[in-house]
Amino acid sequence: EAAVTQSPRNKVAVTGGKVTLSCNQTNNHNNMYWYRQDTGHGLRLIHYSYGAGSTEKGDIPDGYKASRPSQENFSLILELATPSQTSVYFCASGDAVEQYFGPGTRLTVL
Amino acid sequence: AQKVTQTQTSISVMEKTTVTMDCVYETQDSSYFLFWYKQTASGEIVFLIRQDSYKKENATVGHYSLNFQKPKSSIGLIITATQIEDSAVYFCAMREGNYNQGKLIFGQGTKLSIKP
Repeated sequence: EAAVTQSPRNKVAVTGGKVTLSCNQTNNHNNMYWYRQDTGHGLRLIHYSYGAGSTEKGDIPDGYKASRPSQENFSLILELATPSQTSVYFCASGDAVEQYFGPGTRLTVL
Repeated sequence: AQKVTQTQTSISVMEKTTVTMDCVYETQDSSYFLFWYKQTASGEIVFLIRQDSYKKENATVGHYSLNFQKPKSSIGLIITATQIEDSAVYFCAMREGNYNQGKLIFGQGTKLSIKP
């Protein structure tokens, strides 16, 4: 009954290819977030959303797009993947104060 | 601009002792929220405890408590009676008082190892 799920959990992509990471939440939260985690940097915000149809740029949005087609789903899109985007990606959903994280997606771009 | 700094890269303590992890933050807002999250070896990120800036009392949840020193922009996490399963990476995070956004800024994390 995990409230935030991500797919795929692991992904290997080629440089220049398109990658879509998906996130689903059953918390009925308005806000959803995409972070990446790299050694020495903690978690950094890529994109976020206030609700269906909305997306906002976070702190490191370059090279990424986001899509929020419904309350439950939030996708992160890498149109032209690069090796520097190799990382672990976390989705989260949140209310006015707290955030709840998904299990993460490990992306390797070769 | 917001910033959260955890200077302790790693800490190792004996089981059943008390450990304190440090975190300092920078913000221009008068209203903000401070959080501690735990990331287990499996990668799972779990919310632990929260401190609201307008509250003078230190938050406590189970064997986790906070040492909130507002004049020093400091929010330390205290774990008492540590257990092996407390071994993890702990992240401090801050959210400024814009209720519509909810953006979190994270520190770099502190790896805690509990020795039997």
